[in-house]
Amino acid sequence: DAGVTQSPTHLIKTRGQQVTLRCSPKSGHDTVSWYQQALGQGPQFIFQYYEEEERQRGNFPDRFSGHQFPNYSSELNVNALLLGDSALYLCASSLRLAGGNEQFFGPGTRLTVL
Amino acid sequence: SQQGEEDPQALSIQEGENATMNCSYKTSINNLQWYRQNSGRGLVHLILIRSNEREKHSGRLRVTLDTSKKSSSLLITASRAADTASYFCATLDTGRRALTFGSGTRLQVQP
Repeated sequence: DAGVTQSPTHLIKTRGQQVTLRCSPKSGHDTVSWYQQALGQGPQFIFQYYEEEERQRGNFPDRFSGHQFPNYSSELNVNALLLGDSALYLCASSLRLAGGNEQFFGPGTRLTVL
Repeated sequence: SQQGEEDPQALSIQEGENATMNCSYKTSINNLQWYRQNSGRGLVHLILIRSNEREKHSGRLRVTLDTSKKSSSLLITASRAADTASYFCATLDTGRRALTFGSGTRLQVQP
């Protein structure tokens, strides 16, 4: 049973570019959440997808957008990259009926913006 | 924004000693969870304590929750070098389904 997978593992972009990160949830999970973790900080919630719709959003600008596909996998898109977007991006999956208890995290994508 | 603070920010102990980490939060919660992170990689879920519980055990882990003080503690007994990691508390706030994390405690266990 595969856990949460994310791709790519590492990514280097330059300011102003756009990036797409991908996440496949744990088998049987229907909800995907995205978090941004800056170096030395705790993860911060970006948004959450369920039934292909954004259900909750944290304090992030519209440059951050996402999508969920019918197979529950998800993408995180960031436009007009800034240096401050450099971080570890974590995807977490969960079961909606579990009410947010015990989210399973992927290994993350390390994004570096130069 | 971060939910609260974790104390201490860093902790160094010898193998076999106990490690205690504290977490404070600000809002009304459904539950509080503790996660471990090795070397900036993915988070591993350790334990969940509900708002109506005061103490919970799992193996060498003991978690307490004081909702009147909005605080929690994680105790790791008989620590091992493999326990070296960053530990984060995260709250599931009332009415939300997303976690709010603290700033973490970096634990170093010396062999």
